[in-house]
Amino acid sequence: EDQVTQSPEALRLQEGESSSLNCSYTVSGLRGLFWYRQDPGKGPEFLFTLYSAGEEKEKERLKATLTKKESFLHITAPKPEDSATYLCAVQAGDTGFQKLVFGTGTRLLVSP
Amino acid sequence: DTEVTQTPKHLVMGMTNKKSLKCEQHMGHRAMYWYKQKAKKPPELMFVYSYEKLSINESVPSRFSPECPNSSLLNLHLHALQPEDSALYLCASSQDHRGRIYNEQFFGPGTRLTVL
Repeated sequence: EDQVTQSPEALRLQEGESSSLNCSYTVSGLRGLFWYRQDPGKGPEFLFTLYSAGEEKEKERLKATLTKKESFLHITAPKPEDSATYLCAVQAGDTGFQKLVFGTGTRLLVSP
Repeated sequence: DTEVTQTPKHLVMGMTNKKSLKCEQHMGHRAMYWYKQKAKKPPELMFVYSYEKLSINESVPSRFSPECPNSSLLNLHLHALQPEDSALYLCASSQDHRGRIYNEQFFGPGTRLTVL
């Protein structure tokens, strides 16, 4: 069974304090790994797609990387507006390509 | 344009009511999804439509009835819901899987449903 585990569950940072969020996965035939940002009471906002090991994507203060077993979301010099829940999800296998298997998310709080 | 819209934003209904949630996208996507999300949990897939045909039903109770009138619209009809059905209901869309390695899903803002 495909599994996605995110850590830490919650992370509190000071403004400007860089850190990384982890997403480890166990799947049969990874098709794509996705990062989303979700603000309270709103729908997930698409951030990145990663497909092959070694791939990196960047957007403003965020950088996502992928290995064969995990993905990291690096946050450089975060600001309070980066506070949100960050969700990792995978698509895998021959029949599961329409399904997203989500991790439980990391709740990030950035204090001024 | 990567926008998926959902109406209403909030809905309060009694257990005997019938209501509908609506979702619309104009990205030319041919796959559309309904998810249910409880507080502090990730979204749970309910239904998938591919080319206006129901492709996946994740064993959802029959009090939830999806409908895809055309390639841009997705409805979720609600009847005789229970208080435990209170949640954020999310709609998403993506390119259809055919010929693609992966399909990025784009989510709408959600409908906050409260069942009394």
